[in-house]
Amino acid sequence: SAVISQKPSRDICQRGTSLTIQCQVDSQVTMMFWYRQQPGQSLTLIATANQGSEATYESGFVIDKFPISRPNLTFSTLTVSNLSPEDSSIYLCSVDPGGSGNEQFFGPGTRLTVL
Amino acid sequence: QKEVEQNSGPLSVPEGAIASLNCTYSDRGSQSFFWYRQYSGKSPELIMFIYSNGDKEDGRFTAQLNKASQYVSLLIRDSQPSDSATYLCAARGDSSYKLIFGSGTRLLVRP
Repeated sequence: SAVISQKPSRDICQRGTSLTIQCQVDSQVTMMFWYRQQPGQSLTLIATANQGSEATYESGFVIDKFPISRPNLTFSTLTVSNLSPEDSSIYLCSVDPGGSGNEQFFGPGTRLTVL
Repeated sequence: QKEVEQNSGPLSVPEGAIASLNCTYSDRGSQSFFWYRQYSGKSPELIMFIYSNGDKEDGRFTAQLNKASQYVSLLIRDSQPSDSATYLCAARGDSSYKLIFGSGTRLLVRP
């Protein structure tokens, strides 16, 4: 497995602002993933972040709204831009340390509330 | 639209009983299947994955896969109150790392 930390753990933001979420892993991993879990719902993949290349976004998610950085093999950031109340969710990063695709582990999540 | 379906529950079982959680998936191209446990206010924890038809056991947990019926299940033997959580089923295709999650089944284990 891997030890994953996220910052901040929670935040309350005003409409129209942005929030940047950090994800740190205790080992080098090729692929990192960003998910969203809206209140009372399951997880939806936002994008896959590979070091040294542009993130790959899933349908319904765009780079202008969710810019991602992946500067090295242990760190990534997700920014949620131009916040609206609909962005209120838990945002989670996950990693697959072995690279097999069969063991994705999740960070503790960032709970975002937009007023 | 690739989907993973789960009964939302709650599924209520007495302590010591076997809890049976079920999941169906729509994409026949799905190759691997995952069970995660999520306690309220916490992130999902991986319980186990399965990719071959049949049963896979890990301690008190047994995952079952039937690709012909597009059906995955998780059995929890000797259920404990600490097993009370939401159980998420997820599927992954062969050419992608993307996990498609079901909405989860809430399990309540009564002391």
